[in-house]
Amino acid sequence: DAGITQSPRHKVTETGTPVTLRCHQTENHRYMYWYRQDPGHGLRLIHYSYGVKDTDKGEVSDGYSVSRSKTEDFLLTLESATSSQTSVYFCASGPARNTEAFFGQGTRLTVV
Amino acid sequence: KQEVTQIPAALSVPEGENLVLNCSFTDSAIYNLQWFRQDPGKGLTSLLLIQSSQREQTSGRLNASLDKSSGRSTLYIAASQPGDSATYLCAVSTGNQFYFGTGTSLTVIP
Repeated sequence: DAGITQSPRHKVTETGTPVTLRCHQTENHRYMYWYRQDPGHGLRLIHYSYGVKDTDKGEVSDGYSVSRSKTEDFLLTLESATSSQTSVYFCASGPARNTEAFFGQGTRLTVV
Repeated sequence: KQEVTQIPAALSVPEGENLVLNCSFTDSAIYNLQWFRQDPGKGLTSLLLIQSSQREQTSGRLNASLDKSSGRSTLYIAASQPGDSATYLCAVSTGNQFYFGTGTSLTVIP
């Protein structure tokens, strides 16, 4: 398996607080992604990165920001968490555009 | 926007049976299609990747086919085993992202 780790694995936070999720990969992959998985919706792309400091929005980016200061790390920040952001968040990476994607184990976030 | 549909949503079969999972997509302008397996509470494990120029890929008891013009892919599992029980997801790449179906939940009964 590709070396992708997410932290934390579980988090409960209060509405209105900022939250940062971390994704770390050891594969030197250029592309990294953040998805959320919700019942009935499948996985939906939040943001992706195509290199250090190069990021772009996905289809459900409102309320989220990302940063990538190093190849191996991709951070997802919820500026002010809302209950609608309760979800399972998955990070993925791939060596190039349109190649195989490898996923982390997920972070279960609950906003109360 | 690309829409990916997987039918059926759930499937239960006896051990040893061969089975087919279906995936359809609305925009045939894809770069590749990937099948994943997801166990409860776990991440996604990549099973097979089919490039848009390919018709099928095989790995062990798994065979995935792709008909880009009709917007369809199938995942064939031979001689199913209880350990195959999981949710199977297909995803199509149209550029910088994958679009996912909602999955087929497979139960193989011993």
